[in-house]
Amino acid sequence: QQPVQSPQAVILREGEDAVINCSSSKALYSVHWYRQKHGEAPVFLMILLKGGEQKGHEKISASFNEKKQQSSLYLTASQLSYSGTYFCGTEPTSGSRLTFGEGTQLTVNP
Amino acid sequence: EAQVTQNPRYLITVTGKKLTVTCSQNMNHEYMSWYRQDPGLGLRQIYYSMNVEVTDKGDVPEGYKVSRKEKRNFPLILESPSPNQTSLYFCASSQFRDNTQYFGPGTRLTVL
Repeated sequence: QQPVQSPQAVILREGEDAVINCSSSKALYSVHWYRQKHGEAPVFLMILLKGGEQKGHEKISASFNEKKQQSSLYLTASQLSYSGTYFCGTEPTSGSRLTFGEGTQLTVNP
Repeated sequence: EAQVTQNPRYLITVTGKKLTVTCSQNMNHEYMSWYRQDPGLGLRQIYYSMNVEVTDKGDVPEGYKVSRKEKRNFPLILESPSPNQTSLYFCASSQFRDNTQYFGPGTRLTVL
């Protein structure tokens, strides 16, 4: 079942923060986060595993609440290069299919 | 350079004419998969393969076939394409099931 992402779209000014949420109706083993710029392929950002720690990548970090079956992606002090569509992918058990959400379109303006 | 390649990048065809989209990776990855991307629907998995000769259905397998005879190649076959298969297709590979997925550049398919 497809995870639900919110918000669907967000517009920021450079330097502002944003949070993108991903929730599932099923228990999760892992959550993946990807970013896709217009006309390009999705690029891996990070993966969070059940029982793992919060991950970080430059000014982008993520958390995984196993009990709530939710993950959040935090973008702090956003840069123009952060613009794109962010997808979460969820995996209910190890080795099962990865299912992606519909994506959150992030636009960072000067 | 580590990469996933897809061919062709763009294809316009007609209903019912069989076609194959090739996918190849040079990273010795076990896991490969195909996705289609449509506006408002995100990335939906068509088929995936855990290793050579091991394939399984994803979320939207109808109308598609795959094969995995070699580790590096994972072609997507549309035996009788229909207009509802007009989409952007991505191939992806990873070392293990829960590691980084590397996506190919995409194939934009139009079925008239």
